[in-house]
Amino acid sequence: GAVVSQHPSWVICKSGTSVKIECRSLDFQATTMFWYRQFPKQSLMLMATSNEGSKATYEQGVEKDKFLINHASLTLSTLTVTSAHPEDSSFYICSARSGQAPLQEKLFFGSGTQLSVL
Amino acid sequence: QKEVEQDPGPLSVPEGAIVSLNCTYSNSAFQYFMWYRQYSRKGPELLMYTYSSGNKEDGRFTAQVDKSSKYISLFIRDSQPSDSATYLCAMMASSASKIIFGSGTRLSIRP
Repeated sequence: GAVVSQHPSWVICKSGTSVKIECRSLDFQATTMFWYRQFPKQSLMLMATSNEGSKATYEQGVEKDKFLINHASLTLSTLTVTSAHPEDSSFYICSARSGQAPLQEKLFFGSGTQLSVL
Repeated sequence: QKEVEQDPGPLSVPEGAIVSLNCTYSNSAFQYFMWYRQYSRKGPELLMYTYSSGNKEDGRFTAQVDKSSKYISLFIRDSQPSDSATYLCAMMASSASKIIFGSGTRLSIRP
């Protein structure tokens, strides 16, 4: 399978600061990347979809000014949590889809980032 | 009604048993079906991928899709403690559409 690298895997920050999470597709070009949030023992909650070179599409209820997503290249997408607050503490996971054979519609995930806001 | 229903478990079985995990769905447009395995505090890992109805086997894992019943299954043979994880079913209508995930089933294999 394809490899998606996500960094950092764990971050602690003070309330009011911003945190950037990186997601890279290492061995394929990701035309579409997705960002998810996951609370303990719950399923994945899609936050936004980003296509390379265009603005991200956010799901209902997700603040786009708070969760800034950039997909500047076919191998890199970033999620910046701005002015983080304790309620933003969560497990954030990125995923990438190639759109081209042989990977096509298959979705590959990063290892996730645990964010703790103090 | 959710588009995809999955029993959250937990499901606990002894080592060596055959495990059956299932999902039902309501959208008849779904054509692509996937199973992911997720260990605690890790990203999901793609286990099985099938298109339309039928069976697919990969080692100890077998995925079945019954579109007429809107029902998919994942079977794990000779289960091992290392199979203990949360299993998520996922599906989508086309290669460009949003993937819909089940809520996940927590599986525990007892040594």
